[in-house]
Amino acid sequence: NAGVTQTPKFQVLKTGQSMTLQCAQDMNHEYMSWYRQDPGMGLRLIHYSVGAGITDQGEVPNGYNVSRSTTEDFPLRLLSAAPSQTSVYFCASSYSAQGGYEQYFGPGTRLTVT
Amino acid sequence: GQNIDQPTEMTATEGAIVQINCTYQTSGFNGLFWYQQHAGEAPTFLSYNVLDGLEEKGRFSSFLSRSKGYSYLLLKELQMKDSASYLCAVDGKAGNMLTFGGGTRLMVKP
Repeated sequence: NAGVTQTPKFQVLKTGQSMTLQCAQDMNHEYMSWYRQDPGMGLRLIHYSVGAGITDQGEVPNGYNVSRSTTEDFPLRLLSAAPSQTSVYFCASSYSAQGGYEQYFGPGTRLTVT
Repeated sequence: GQNIDQPTEMTATEGAIVQINCTYQTSGFNGLFWYQQHAGEAPTFLSYNVLDGLEEKGRFSSFLSRSKGYSYLLLKELQMKDSASYLCAVDGKAGNMLTFGGGTRLMVKP
């Protein structure tokens, strides 16, 4: 099993550009989520999905879109990049949307917006 | 709202014991997680508490008091490789939606 994979590992964007961060898992996990991590602020939930075709907003969804057309993939789209979106982005998956199941994190994408 | 507090940094000596505290105020509670994160890497799962009391797993133990909104992670026989950030996260409502604290950066010195 590759676990949770993310691409790219690093990305530099100019203000106003759009891009998609890819996330895939091969563990047949029901639950997937996207977090951003900024210094001193911990991980903050952007969007999450409890199954294919179902997505919902987390704590900081503005400026981001997601879709879940398959169980395996959960891409995150930045619509019009802003310097405030400079961060490290982690995708995570979990066996179930029910509480108590550990989340498995991908290696992260380090995004800089200039 | 959700509020989770942890100390920002701690330092301890190799071989010693360290306790990392986490206090939380959340609108709901379905469990508390501890994750370890080495610099530049992804978080990895350490422990999960949903009932009051102590959960022991090798050198790591985690304690929960729901009435006090309090948890701690206890690391025994510290090793240099334990130098990392430790993240406390509360599942505040059903659905595995975690709210993370800012993390505690632990430095282990020889």
